[in-house]
Amino acid sequence: DTAVSQTPKYLVTQMGNDKSIKCEQNLGHDTMYWYKQDSKKFLKIMFSYNNKELIINETVPNRFSPKSPDKAHLNLHINSLELGDSAVYFCASRQGSNTGELFFGEGSRLTVL
Amino acid sequence: QQQVKQSPQSLIVQKGGISIINCAYENTAFDYFPWYQQFPGKGPALLIAIRPDVSEKKEGRFTISFNKSAKQFSLHIMDSQPGDSATYFCAATNTGGFKTIFGAGTRLFVKA
Repeated sequence: DTAVSQTPKYLVTQMGNDKSIKCEQNLGHDTMYWYKQDSKKFLKIMFSYNNKELIINETVPNRFSPKSPDKAHLNLHINSLELGDSAVYFCASRQGSNTGELFFGEGSRLTVL
Repeated sequence: QQQVKQSPQSLIVQKGGISIINCAYENTAFDYFPWYQQFPGKGPALLIAIRPDVSEKKEGRFTISFNKSAKQFSLHIMDSQPGDSATYFCAATNTGGFKTIFGAGTRLFVKA
């Protein structure tokens, strides 16, 4: 069983469309994240939820809206997609505020045409 | 603004050589310093990590050296192997542990 799973793995869409990426973790962790990795491989934190509560929002445009229906799931919805949104989006989880290991999913590659 | 600066951007090492990647941080509220390894098409995975009360940590061929006063830390890969070819990220986590900031990454290529 994959610890952190994301769907879809690949997403190709037109500018202006709305799309969602889903993430599920079966590790029993309290904290989940979305990171964006651009074409230069730079990993930037976007959001974090702890026990379904938003705790980090890193000046991301409000076209991006995360939702955590429960501790094991964190979804990312993106409205009015722009070319600059093309990237790989990684979901990750960690157990609470323990400064320990982040477990990453395999990423969702979004291409906006 | 980037709070963790990583160098070099890319590195080519002969098989059996030593790979060295350096990082510097600005925020003294960081208290956990992990290194992640990422292969193409995969998510980053924890390689080794250190806390600031320790100056060195070794796990197999991988060693972190940490200099708290200089706010610098580095990863040494001894006896580098072609299978080590990947992108390496240093990172820092703030006290309380919710926020992990990554360096820009180093693409390592180990020549056979």
